[in-house]
Order: sequence, then structure tokens, then C-alpha cells
Amino acid sequence: NAGVTQTPKFRVLKTGQSMTLLCAQDMNHEYMYWYRQDPGMGLRLIHYSVGEGTTAKGEVPDGYNVSRLKKQNFLLGLESAAPSQTSVYFCASSYPGLGGTDTQYFGPGTRLTVL
Amino acid sequence: AQSVAQPEDQVNVAEGNPLTVKCTYSVSGNPYLFWYVQYPNRGLQFLLKYITGDNLVKGSYGFEAEFNKSQTSFHLKKPSALVSDSALYFCAVRDSYMEYGNKLVFGAGTILRVKS
Repeated sequence: NAGVTQTPKFRVLKTGQSMTLLCAQDMNHEYMYWYRQDPGMGLRLIHYSVGEGTTAKGEVPDGYNVSRLKKQNFLLGLESAAPSQTSVYFCASSYPGLGGTDTQYFGPGTRLTVL
Repeated sequence: AQSVAQPEDQVNVAEGNPLTVKCTYSVSGNPYLFWYVQYPNRGLQFLLKYITGDNLVKGSYGFEAEFNKSQTSFHLKKPSALVSDSALYFCAVRDSYMEYGNKLVFGAGTILRVKS
């Protein structure tokens, strides 16, 4: 049971380049989330999904797109990377709990630098 | 909108002494509160959560947290700190009125340094 895994672990992009971050979970969780972590700001929600084929915007969705074609995978795309997207990206997943009591489990993160 | 404040950027404590990492929250409705820990270059690990019931919640690695509704606080505590507890700690809250998805709002984090 690997839990939540993220690919790649590190990436350096030039401004304007595109890339996709992959998140995979083997816990059969319905919900998946993408966050970014910036110094002094905690984690901020980018997009999330409550099930296969569904996605929704979080707090900071601009410049990102997501897809959830399979229940176990949640992809985060950057179509045209900008230096402001330099950050550490975390994926998380959870199984729905009554009234939102579910616990989120996090992946190890992807450190992205945009030059 | 819900929010979380962690008023201390860093907490320093000597090994063996009790530690407290502070968290206050603001939500509409009943708060669901969480504590996570992040070790260097690692993802976040769940420590404990408060949903309802006893105000003192026990979690992993000997940590506990006290929920205080009147003070809107959820402070993380441990009776005897270990050097290995040194890490970044996040408090998070979910507003119970959100219908879909457990959208957590995180505090900025508090660095805990335990010195031997």
C-alpha cells in the first residue's frame, strides 16, 4: 500500500513551458485535492475532485487545469508556466466522512521551479 | 469565510519540557479541526482531529489537542518534547456547511524546534 504518490519529485521549467503533475492513490479514495505550499502561507487549495470525471475550483485555480479520468489518478496541468507558479505542490486524497469528517492523506510533494 | 491563525512562526522548547503550538480559528457553524505535521522535504502527516465530543483529543506520537469553543482555539500539546518532534506544524479547519469535498483551510504553519 503506497498511499499517495506524486510524479515527478522535482522539476525546473522555463516560462511558457507546459507540464503535467501526476498524483496516484491506491486507497480507493473518492476525493482528491491539489494544493500549493508557499513560505508563510500554509497550503492553498488549487483544484479538487469528489469523484471520477468531476473537478472543481479551489482557492487559487488560475493558471492550472486538472483531470480525473480514473478514480485513482488526479492530474494537475500547467499550460504556460509562470515564475509565480514556483512552489511545492501537494496532492491529497480522502474517503468521504459523515459531514466532512474525513481525513486527508498527503503525497510527498513536487518541487517546481519556473525560471 | 473560515480562517485559521497560528500566531507563532516558531516555538522553541527544551527536550523533556512540555510544548504547546497555538491555533485559533474562525468559522460559521461547527468547526472540524485538524493538526498536521511536516518533516523536512516530506509531505504532511495527519496527527489528530476534532469533530465532536471530548474537548481533549489524543493523536499520534503522544500529541494531544485541546478544543476550546469559547476561545475559538485548538492548541496542540505534548507533555514531554523530543528532539525528533522538530518539524513544521499546521492547523487546519473545515467549515461543516461545505457540501462537497473536505476543503481544508490551513494556517501558515509553526516551526517547532526542540533542543537537547
